Amino acid sequence: GENVEQHPSTLSVQEGDSAVIKCTYSDSASNYFPWYKQELGKRPQLIIDIRSNVGEKKDQRIAVTLNKTAKHFSLHITETQPEDSAVYFCAASIRGFQKLVFGTGTRLLVSP
Amino acid sequence: ETGVTQSPTHLIKTRGQQVTLRCSSQSGHNTVSWYQQALGQGPQFIFQYYREEENGRGNFPPRFSGLQFPNYSSELNVNALELDDSALYLCASSLGGTTEAFFGQGTRLTVV
Repeated sequence: GENVEQHPSTLSVQEGDSAVIKCTYSDSASNYFPWYKQELGKRPQLIIDIRSNVGEKKDQRIAVTLNKTAKHFSLHITETQPEDSAVYFCAASIRGFQKLVFGTGTRLLVSP
Repeated sequence: ETGVTQSPTHLIKTRGQQVTLRCSSQSGHNTVSWYQQALGQGPQFIFQYYREEENGRGNFPPRFSGLQFPNYSSELNVNALELDDSALYLCASSLGGTTEAFFGQGTRLTVV
């Protein structure tokens, strides 16, 4: 069935280090891959997304890469800051319409 | 902040009761999707409405139903509440034909 796996479930880094979160999806028809950041008690916030016709996208300290052949996509955060601490979710679109299947989340903790 | 608003923010119901949750979509958006987020989990797709018609449904029983109104706002109704229905219910609005989805702040439902 439709599935998105996300690793790791928790990630602890020192301020200034890089963080990488990886996801794998199952539906080869998926064509849209957003990443959301969710702080405790708040709404998921879209931070970056990538479409299937692009291999990489960058926005300041955040980048996403997509390997369609392997059905992998990853979030890269450079120069991490304590305010980056949150739960990050990857997602993949299903069958072309706007249903998103989410990963299980990665809790990122950035220590000063 | 997104233009997506949900009401109420918190709700406590008794098992067996019925509940209605509301969502106002972002201006110009004609598509609303509903998600259930259990504690510590990623959001799970319930269903989507596009121009007042259901446009896809996840693995939720028929006691989860919805509506979309001409102004594109939406309701989620849950009948015969069960303890496992306790969760954060999120709506996300988007513009048909695109895929960026923006979430509301959610309704925290507790069933006792």
